[in-house]
Amino acid sequence: QKEVEQDPGPLSVPEGAIVSLNCTYSNSAFQYFMWYRQYSRKGPELLMYTYSSGNKEDGRFTAQVDKSSKYISLFIRDSQPSDSATYLCATDNTDKLIFGTGTRLQVFP
Amino acid sequence: DTGVSQDPRHKITKRGQNVTFRCDPISEHNRLYWYRQTLGQGPEFLTYFQNEAQLEKSRLLSDRFSAERPKGSFSTLEIQRTEQGDSAMYLCASSLGTGNTIYFGEGSWLTVV
Repeated sequence: QKEVEQDPGPLSVPEGAIVSLNCTYSNSAFQYFMWYRQYSRKGPELLMYTYSSGNKEDGRFTAQVDKSSKYISLFIRDSQPSDSATYLCATDNTDKLIFGTGTRLQVFP
Repeated sequence: DTGVSQDPRHKITKRGQNVTFRCDPISEHNRLYWYRQTLGQGPEFLTYFQNEAQLEKSRLLSDRFSAERPKGSFSTLEIQRTEQGDSAMYLCASSLGTGNTIYFGEGSWLTVV
């Protein structure tokens, strides 16, 4: 079993839709959770960072962590074509990041 | 403020040749990481440095791979006797340390033919 599981998609939505991206993880000791966005042939860039359970909001983006079910989510409101990218969830395990496979998102006009 | 810089961005090499990638981290970042990413997968941890000390190596890092950070600034990743399975994007990242954001470079694409 992989330590972080993520549906690879692709996910295709119309502009303005609410997008939900999800990951599960296996180790209950994980405390820090991140979402990175990666455009084609570019390096990942950090979108959101959360510690333990709860929600965190930043503009159109909301990150949610449910430690009881080992489930992490990223919601994108009012999605835009510029949001089309691969979204990677990650957790911090003793100073190194463990990533999911990434979900490819396409937002069409 | 420059980000993490990687060179070369693209490298095509013949099987059996050696290749070396260079990474320049963000200034004053004492942590430097190397990851590998193949198509359709997330980045996989290879190794990391705290200043010039290499603190951890993944079992993915075979004997043909060696990484150095001689003066605690830039780092090199060398792959000897390349194999087709080494074809991937090699990502470098840096941070100020535990609990701080890890910033990635644009990656170095390796194609072994």
